[in-house]
Amino acid sequence: DAGVTQSPTHLIKTRGQHVTLRCSPISGHKSVSWYQQVLGQGPQFIFQYYEKEERGRGNFPDRFSARQFPNYSSELNVNALLLGDSALYLCASSFSLTSGANVLTFGAGSRLTVL
Amino acid sequence: KQEVTQIPAALSVPEGENLVLNCSFTDSAIYNLQWFRQDPGKGLTSLLLIQSSQREQTSGRLNASLDKSSGRSTLYIAASQPGDSATYLCGGGGNMLTFGGGTRLMVKP
Repeated sequence: DAGVTQSPTHLIKTRGQHVTLRCSPISGHKSVSWYQQVLGQGPQFIFQYYEKEERGRGNFPDRFSARQFPNYSSELNVNALLLGDSALYLCASSFSLTSGANVLTFGAGSRLTVL
Repeated sequence: KQEVTQIPAALSVPEGENLVLNCSFTDSAIYNLQWFRQDPGKGLTSLLLIQSSQREQTSGRLNASLDKSSGRSTLYIAASQPGDSATYLCGGGGNMLTFGGGTRLMVKP
């Protein structure tokens, strides 16, 4: 059974460019969340989507946006890239929005380097 | 706003030692507490989930406890092995987890 898959695994962009990161959740999972992990720090919450609707947003600028598709896959878009956007972007999926035994399963991440 | 702190930031132990990793959180109304392992450059692997109504969970050599009143969770690793070397992260919340900075563990043969 496939886990959470993310693409691309690595990418290099220059300042001012735009990037799109993709995530496919575990089959049957309807919730997808995005996290940014800067080197040496813990992940920071960016967005949560459930049933194609945004259900939560972290403290990130409007340059960050996301969406979820009818098949529950998701895209994270970042415009006008800054050097500080260099990070590992992690996608996590779960079966429901919140429930007692709601385990988050993470993908391997997309490592973005902004030059 | 929930804040999560992990102490120590780094830990080096000889193989075979039992060890405890600490996680503190500021908001006792934490929903769930999840412990993860992260190998260098990789994603997060879930180790244990402690639901809000629970006090501890066990899996193999791992035991995690949750004390909401004191705002603390601990991860106990028994008989540590070199393969346990990784960064351990705790995250509190529902789907919108707030993470600590992690504890970087090295187990020396």
